[in-house]
Amino acid sequence: QVQLQQWGAGLLKPSETLSLICAVYGGSFSDHYWTWIRQPPGKGPEWIGEVNHSGATYYYNPSLKSRVTISVDTSKNQFSLKMTSVTAADTAVYYCTSRPGISSPSDSWGQGTLVTVSS
Amino acid sequence: EIVLTQSPATLALSPGDTATLSCRASQSVSGYLTWYQQKPGQAPRLLIYDASSRATGIPARFSGSGSGTDFTLTISSLEPEDFAVYYCQLRTNWPRMYTFGQGTKLEIK
Repeated sequence: QVQLQQWGAGLLKPSETLSLICAVYGGSFSDHYWTWIRQPPGKGPEWIGEVNHSGATYYYNPSLKSRVTISVDTSKNQFSLKMTSVTAADTAVYYCTSRPGISSPSDSWGQGTLVTVSS
Repeated sequence: EIVLTQSPATLALSPGDTATLSCRASQSVSGYLTWYQQKPGQAPRLLIYDASSRATGIPARFSGSGSGTDFTLTISSLEPEDFAVYYCQLRTNWPRMYTFGQGTKLEIK
């Protein structure tokens, strides 16, 4: 299993852009799918989207697709999440995760980043 | 859109008991059903994938079963560290989507 460490701004104002980065350690960047999942306070997780190791294949939650971009930087073994036009409804703990294969579940998770959207 | 309904919302049991957690899909699905355990302040932890396969390092007291619309996570001989929230998750391929249930909180009686 790889190790994931994530970071990014934790406090945003409405209409700003959320930006998070996840660094991958201790394993191959190839053959993995890199995902982002969020969890609003007191609620269940919600899948945001995922990208393959090359960035050529990506999938997004239809409810968020218009505002989300997930990309990879293979030179740094990192992947990132950008979400535009945030509102209070986007307040959540955001997790990066890895799936080691096309049919595999998320078996490694980052530590989570609480992102609060407030004016 | 497929909806996953977990029951019960809360389950109160004692150490040594057997826990049976249910996850029901709104329509028949393939076996890409995953179970996660989450403790307060922690990221979810992978327990079961493909409905019945235990993840690496997961004790044998955790088992998954089911197909179609009804899936079950069984935890036998509950240990104190098993009290947590459990989520089921479904992957669909067309379109690619991952859906979580609302969770079952397993608490000490």
